[in-house]
Amino acid sequence: EDQVTQSPEALRLQEGESSSLNCSYTVSGLRGLFWYRQDPGKGPEFLFTLYSAGEEKEKERLKATLTKKESFLHITAPKPEDSATYLCAVQPATGFQKLVFGTGTRLLVSP
Amino acid sequence: SAVISQKPSRDICQRGTSLTIQCQVDSQVTMMFWYRQQPGQSLTLIATANQGSEATYESGFVIDKFPISRPNLTFSTLTVSNMSPEDSSIYLCSVGQGENIQYFGAGTRLSVL
Repeated sequence: EDQVTQSPEALRLQEGESSSLNCSYTVSGLRGLFWYRQDPGKGPEFLFTLYSAGEEKEKERLKATLTKKESFLHITAPKPEDSATYLCAVQPATGFQKLVFGTGTRLLVSP
Repeated sequence: SAVISQKPSRDICQRGTSLTIQCQVDSQVTMMFWYRQQPGQSLTLIATANQGSEATYESGFVIDKFPISRPNLTFSTLTVSNMSPEDSSIYLCSVGQGENIQYFGAGTRLSVL
């Protein structure tokens, strides 16, 4: 069964305090791994997609990396506006491009 | 990326009634998806809706409870039928574009009394 586990469930950082979010997964063939950001009352906003182990992508203060079993979302010098829930999802190689999501990490960055 | 509009944004419904949620996209897309996000849980795929064919439902979801229409390449509806309090959730539609990326609407927040 395809499964995604995210840790920690919640993370509180001071502004400028860098950290990493973890996403471990088991999937029967990986088509892609996706990171989304979700703000309260809104739908998930696409951040990154990674396709193969060793791949890295960056966007402003965020950097996503991928291994064969997990992905990390590194947040460098976060700002209060980075506060959100970060969702990780895998897309199995079979099926109609469905996404299997983790429960997310709620990030709070204090000034 | 596509702009996705969902209606209604929220609703409060009585037990035993049905609610139809609309999803409108500003460009033609082949694949549309409906997800449920229950409090404290992950997004779960309900079904995949392709234009011109029957929706494909995931394990645990049935057409009688969640009928879906996909009349054209820019529009889809999801109906939550014979609702119970357990159906209280956020319902989200998404569309697939380039590189298998899915873009999401803002969601419909449903409370069933």
